[in-house]
Amino acid sequence: EAGVAQSPRYKIIEKRQSVAFWCNPISGHATLYWYQQILGQGPKLLIQFQNNGVVDDSQLPKDRFSAERLKGVDSTLKIQPAKLEDSAVYLCASSFGTSLYEQYFGPGTRLTVT
Amino acid sequence: QQQVKQSPQSLIVQKGGISIINCAYENTAFDYFPWYQQFPGKGPALLIAIRPDVSEKKEGRFTISFNKSAKQFSLHIMDSQPGDSATYFCAASMGDSWGKLQFGAGTQVVVTP
Repeated sequence: EAGVAQSPRYKIIEKRQSVAFWCNPISGHATLYWYQQILGQGPKLLIQFQNNGVVDDSQLPKDRFSAERLKGVDSTLKIQPAKLEDSAVYLCASSFGTSLYEQYFGPGTRLTVT
Repeated sequence: QQQVKQSPQSLIVQKGGISIINCAYENTAFDYFPWYQQFPGKGPALLIAIRPDVSEKKEGRFTISFNKSAKQFSLHIMDSQPGDSATYFCAASMGDSWGKLQFGAGTQVVVTP
């Protein structure tokens, strides 16, 4: 079974630039999560999709972050404009369902904002 | 506001020793407590999980101990091996929260040969 795919793996941008991350979840997984993991901290949920609908985006900085999941499969997370404090690893995870199902994480995208 | 507090931040254990990581929570509505293992450059992977209706769960060399009254849970790694060197995260979620996980800050474990 193929795992969660993410690209790019690394990205370096200057502050105020924009960036986009892509995630392809495990086939058949209805739930998709985007987490932000700052160095030395645990992952923090940014947004959660159930199929192509948002069920939780309470911690997403909506003035600069946006995400979509077209057709309930792939998802993109965008930051525009980026700030220095956005430097982190952005993890995508997917699960078959919600609270009763294991979340499978991708390798993440390491973003450095200079 | 960190809902799950994890300690220690790091620990070094000799091969064959026991690694113990502790977590505490405040929200009594949490009903699912997983532990994740993360290697450098990889995403976290589920190691073992427990629900509050049991006090202990064991899978191989990994054991979760759960104390509902104290609102604490811990991970014990028995017979620690160099391959166990990783960062470990505890987490918690509520059944009505769509599976949203609240993670601890992580513990970096180093097992020396």
